Amino acid sequence: GAGVSQSPSNKVTEKGKDVELRCDPISGHTALYWYRQRLGQGLEFLIYFQGNSAPDKSGLPSDRFSAERTGESVSTLTIQRTQQEDSAVYLCASSAGGARYEQYFGPGTRLTVT
Amino acid sequence: GNSVTQMEGPVTLSEEAFLTINCTYTATGYPSLFWYVQYPGEGLQLLLKATKADDKGSNKGFEATYRKETTSFHLEKGSVQVSDSAVYFCALSANTGANSKLTFGKGITLSVRP
Repeated sequence: GAGVSQSPSNKVTEKGKDVELRCDPISGHTALYWYRQRLGQGLEFLIYFQGNSAPDKSGLPSDRFSAERTGESVSTLTIQRTQQEDSAVYLCASSAGGARYEQYFGPGTRLTVT
Repeated sequence: GNSVTQMEGPVTLSEEAFLTINCTYTATGYPSLFWYVQYPGEGLQLLLKATKADDKGSNKGFEATYRKETTSFHLEKGSVQVSDSAVYFCALSANTGANSKLTFGKGITLSVRP
């Protein structure tokens, strides 16, 4: 079956512009996560959606970052007024929910802010 | 807070050599522990996991044992192959609360020479 997909795969943007990244989770997966991987660093948690519950936004680095998810489907991560330090690979993962369920990762979106 | 520490890399080995990649963690309660692998040009994928103390996760010849007394989850393989060349990430998920986000180590690059 189809895995987690993300678009675009690469995005180059100028400092100060807004960008929107998209994630399509595996069908039926109630949990969806966004992570960020900056060069030479491990993955950092950004935000978590579980079903219709309020999202856990505790990992968002600033108020320039926001994310939405409609039901148990597509999610979008928006970064406003991008800065050079936002350059990273943004990864989305989905799971059936709960700590013991495997998270399946998408291929990521490589964001470069010039 | 929770954290994962991996040994510094990169690691270069000859084919059929023994591999150990160290991973230690700090967490409250009883987390689940994971090793993820990222092969060149591919997305992040789960290699193995253990959900409670003394559990051994295994897959593709790799093994790791959940050691609560030493808060460790070291990855081992008896005989590495060129195809094992990849980036390896140790991670944990706290089994408390609703958010099963993963906390990752920085990752280590393994290169295996023929």
